[in-house]
Amino acid sequence: QQPVQSPQAVILREGEDAVINCSSSKALYSVHWYRQKHGEAPVFLMILLKGGEQKGHDKISASFNEKKQQSSLYLTASQLSYSGTYFCGTEKAAAGNKLTFGGGTRVLVKP
Amino acid sequence: GAVVSQHPSWVICKSGTSVKIECRSLDFQATTMFWYRQFPKQSLMLMATSNEGSKATYEQGVEKDKFLINHASLTLSTLTVTSAHPEDSSFYICSKSRGSSYNEQFFGPGTRLTVL
Repeated sequence: QQPVQSPQAVILREGEDAVINCSSSKALYSVHWYRQKHGEAPVFLMILLKGGEQKGHDKISASFNEKKQQSSLYLTASQLSYSGTYFCGTEKAAAGNKLTFGGGTRVLVKP
Repeated sequence: GAVVSQHPSWVICKSGTSVKIECRSLDFQATTMFWYRQFPKQSLMLMATSNEGSKATYEQGVEKDKFLINHASLTLSTLTVTSAHPEDSSFYICSKSRGSSYNEQFFGPGTRLTVL
């Protein structure tokens, strides 16, 4: 079952913040976040495994709620390089790292 | 990060021909690799899981006789689109991981297939 991402698209000014959500009707084994620039391969951002977990790198962070049915990706003080399409990917239990991706969120950061 | 290469980067072919796409793991050996298809402005859809030395596992709705996968070595998986048609035009991306769950996937640069 494909996770649901929202919003579908967001336009920001450099320095503004944004939140991208990834939801599922069932508890998830894990959540992966990737960013893809046009015509390029997706690039790994982070994985969340435990309910209540939060982690981040530079000014991009993510959380996983206690029920493991929703994850949010936070873009803080956005930079032009943050532009791209963000995908969450979810694993089913015992699926051997097989990912099902959400529909994606297109982010455009303007100067 | 880990390195995955794909060849070719793009290919244009006539309807009815077959096209082979190679996916190579350039650093660690990959017993499992994944093949995705991505249509413009859409998400990545998993097509199949490629297993070294055994048959690939296809996702529901993916025709195994049309999309032939061969994982003959620990560093190479190939996807052959047989009798390609315009509706097969897409961005094909492979990925690998370190095998077990919870691990990040490393994606290849993708192959843009255009069938005329």
